[in-house]
Amino acid sequence: ETGVTQTPRHLVMGMTNKKSLKCEQHLGHNAMYWYKQSAKKPLELMFVYNFKEQTENNSVPSRFSPECPNSSHLFLHLHTLQPEDSALYLCASSQDGGRRAGYTFGSGTRLTVV
Amino acid sequence: TQLLEQSPQFLSIQEGENLTVYCNSSSVFSSLQWYRQEPGEGPVLLVTVVTGGEVKKLKRLTFQFGDARKDSSLHITAAQPGDTGLYLCAGSGAGSYQLTFGKGTKLSVIP
Repeated sequence: ETGVTQTPRHLVMGMTNKKSLKCEQHLGHNAMYWYKQSAKKPLELMFVYNFKEQTENNSVPSRFSPECPNSSHLFLHLHTLQPEDSALYLCASSQDGGRRAGYTFGSGTRLTVV
Repeated sequence: TQLLEQSPQFLSIQEGENLTVYCNSSSVFSSLQWYRQEPGEGPVLLVTVVTGGEVKKLKRLTFQFGDARKDSSLHITAAQPGDTGLYLCAGSGAGSYQLTFGKGTKLSVIP
């Protein structure tokens, strides 16, 4: 597979559930990102990992917990979410911050919290 | 904090028309990128501009980076329904390892 792959594509979960989003890249990139995209809001950066180390946590509530076991895989663990957390969650990867070649995004996970 | 303002926020035009969308900031960026996002998908990179005054063309799309590297424009000639989508600009600041995204321009091209 090439590019950035996110699973699942769609997820409906209750506020007391625990679920995980998965992201995988086979591009050899050294940085991976989680973004949240809501209606009427810009892309919100959540977490950044460079060489598997978390370098950014953009004041994200603790009910979102990232995990980066290696440079190709990124997870977002979800626990006791709120309805306002419903959004499109996008994973991206880049080489050297993406200044020239940009970010490669996955297709996203559409999350609905009920 | 570096901010990117995009205008217009929404644009609906007829097939065949020309249009320009803008991306402005008070900050200087070392590079600026344009992405297009279709419904239900992630953004896809269209172009990166790095030199002040640079102009790049991608078929019917023309991208320009401002001389001072604070703003950019995207011009589409003879728009087609396939151009419909959310156009995002993103800037990279000096010494920064992440991009700053604008809110986007949502374009609808009506057949």
